[in-house]
Amino acid sequence: GNSVTQMEGPVTLSEEAFLTINCTYTATGYPSLFWYVQYPGEGLQLLLKATKADDKGSNKGFEATYRKETTSFHLEKGSVQVSDSAVYFCALSEGSGGSNYKLTFGKGTLLTVNP
Amino acid sequence: GAVVSQHPSRVICKSGTSVKIECRSLDFQATTMFWYRQFPKQSLMLMATSNEGSKATYEQGVEKDKFLINHASLTLSTLTVTSAHPEDSSFYICSARRTILGRTLTDTQYFGPGTRLTVL
Repeated sequence: GNSVTQMEGPVTLSEEAFLTINCTYTATGYPSLFWYVQYPGEGLQLLLKATKADDKGSNKGFEATYRKETTSFHLEKGSVQVSDSAVYFCALSEGSGGSNYKLTFGKGTLLTVNP
Repeated sequence: GAVVSQHPSRVICKSGTSVKIECRSLDFQATTMFWYRQFPKQSLMLMATSNEGSKATYEQGVEKDKFLINHASLTLSTLTVTSAHPEDSSFYICSARRTILGRTLTDTQYFGPGTRLTVL
């Protein structure tokens, strides 16, 4: 079946540091890939997504590229801020055409950014 | 943006009682909602897919009679944990699927803030 493996946390960085959170996946077909973010006390929010190989998703300074050859979708940000402190989830969907139906999640990575 | 609420946010109950959790899409209609369970330091595990007006589809290993799901309207799905036991203590999260058919199909899940269930 499908699975997502992401970097174990917690990750602690200083403000303006470079962020990478690794994510690899196993899927039988051609999934869509997502990063969700959960800020303290809030629900999960879609951060970015990519629906096919070599697509790059980006939002709020975060980027991730769908790498089919390495089955990866690593999250990066060049300069993190304190407000980026949250739990980040990598996920894939079984749906086709970019629908984000029936998601499979990674375990989540807690990011703390210190001033 | 699309908002999904859950109620209650936190509940403590005695073993053997039943607990109902509500999931509402506040500003859009959702024919499909999903229920997830999250253990500490674990990923979200999909429990079931709730379709308005029909029976829910449960994932393998999830007891249908224990976790009753009712999706009676386009904005409300409920999860009832029946005869709760301490091992049912967990964080339950719902999501609502919003589909917009415009120039391109936009299909996104919006998540509720979760419900912390503690069974004593």
